[in-house]
Amino acid sequence: NAGVTQTPKFRILKIGQSMTLQCAQDMNHNYMYWYRQDPGMGLKLIYYSVGAGITDKGEVPNGYNVSRSTTEDFPLRLLSAAPSQTSVYFCASSYSRGSSGNTIYFGEGSWLTVV
Amino acid sequence: QQQVKQSPQSLIVQKGGISIINCAYENTAFDYFPWYQQFPGKGPALLIAIRPDVSEKKEGRFTISFNKSAKQFSLHIMDSQPGDSATYFCAASEGQGSARQLTFGSGTQLTVLP
Repeated sequence: NAGVTQTPKFRILKIGQSMTLQCAQDMNHNYMYWYRQDPGMGLKLIYYSVGAGITDKGEVPNGYNVSRSTTEDFPLRLLSAAPSQTSVYFCASSYSRGSSGNTIYFGEGSWLTVV
Repeated sequence: QQQVKQSPQSLIVQKGGISIINCAYENTAFDYFPWYQQFPGKGPALLIAIRPDVSEKKEGRFTISFNKSAKQFSLHIMDSQPGDSATYFCAASEGQGSARQLTFGSGTQLTVLP
């Protein structure tokens, strides 16, 4: 199993550009998440989804959008890139319930720089 | 705002020593406290986790100590090895069976000297 796969790994954007970070998981997880990691700040939840067609905002959703058309895919869209969105982005997934739902599996990250 | 405060920010330990990382939380509704380990260029990976109904959980060289009344929990790494050098995040969440909206600490960069 590949687990959680994110693309691209690295990207440089100009201010005002838009882009989509792709995320796919092959573990048949219902729940998927997008986090951003800033230096010395831990990880902040941007958006999450509890299943296909259902998404909800996390702690820091402004400037982003998501969709969940399939169980496997959860893309994150940056609407109009700003320097404050320079960060490392992690996609993650987990089972929906029970003790297995406690473990969140992370992708390897996407490094985004906005100039 | 829900917060998890983590200390120290960085830690240097000699091989064979004990590494201790501390976290404190405010939200008494938190019912799940995991620790994640992150190597450079990789995503975080679950290391060990505890629920508030126990005061300690041990897995190999890694132990979580939990103090519910003080709202604190800590990670102890016994016999620390250079391969343990990584960033460690504590986290907390609430809601059994619901989407785990983890609140993360700010991370501790651990360096174990050979």
